[in-house]
Amino acid sequence: AQKVTQAQTEISVVEKEDVTLDCVYETRDTTYYLFWYKQPPSGELVFLIRRNSFDEQNEISGRYSWNFQKSTSSFNFTITASQVVDSAVYFCALSEAGTNAGKSTFGDGTTLTVKP
Amino acid sequence: KAGVTQTPRYLIKTRGQQVTLSCSPISGHRSVSWYQQTPGQGLQFLFEYFSETQRNKGNFPGRFSGRQFSNSRSEMNVSTLELGDSALYLCASSSVAGRNTEAFFGQGTRLTVV
Repeated sequence: AQKVTQAQTEISVVEKEDVTLDCVYETRDTTYYLFWYKQPPSGELVFLIRRNSFDEQNEISGRYSWNFQKSTSSFNFTITASQVVDSAVYFCALSEAGTNAGKSTFGDGTTLTVKP
Repeated sequence: KAGVTQTPRYLIKTRGQQVTLSCSPISGHRSVSWYQQTPGQGLQFLFEYFSETQRNKGNFPGRFSGRQFSNSRSEMNVSTLELGDSALYLCASSSVAGRNTEAFFGQGTRLTVV
């Protein structure tokens, strides 16, 4: 069975601070995919990144960066110089190989509040 | 390109009634998935449809059902509503099956059962 754990329920930072959101996953598959989504107050989940299990390269996109470590089953997400607009709930998700990302196991989410 | 459209955005129903939610995927997307989001259970997968066929199903009772039409639009039905069915129901569409592409979500339908 797959499982995604986001141990941090809520994080509060002051604008311009860096913040890291943790994600630990469990799966028996050797091929799998990991995702991060952002859910603003409007409700829809916004895709941020997708990573497959064979690609452990870290990725940076503007102020966002992701650290994938297969050895520790972690896929952490860092926001550098946080802004108020980053306030949202962030979800980490895992999907099995051979299935569409439409069937994903989500973590419980981390609510990030960035204060001005 | 229009995003995923879910209707209605808000619904209030009485216990015992049934409800139908609608989802129109992004044009060209053939896969539609449904999720239930509640404060206590988080995001839980309901089912996934591809080319009018249910491909995957989550652990929900038979009161929850769905279907997909030839134009890829999908509906989700919940019969004999219970108070615990109050939730945000999210629909997601994906382009190609089997490639684990990202899912694009709608804004959801917030269902309140009283």
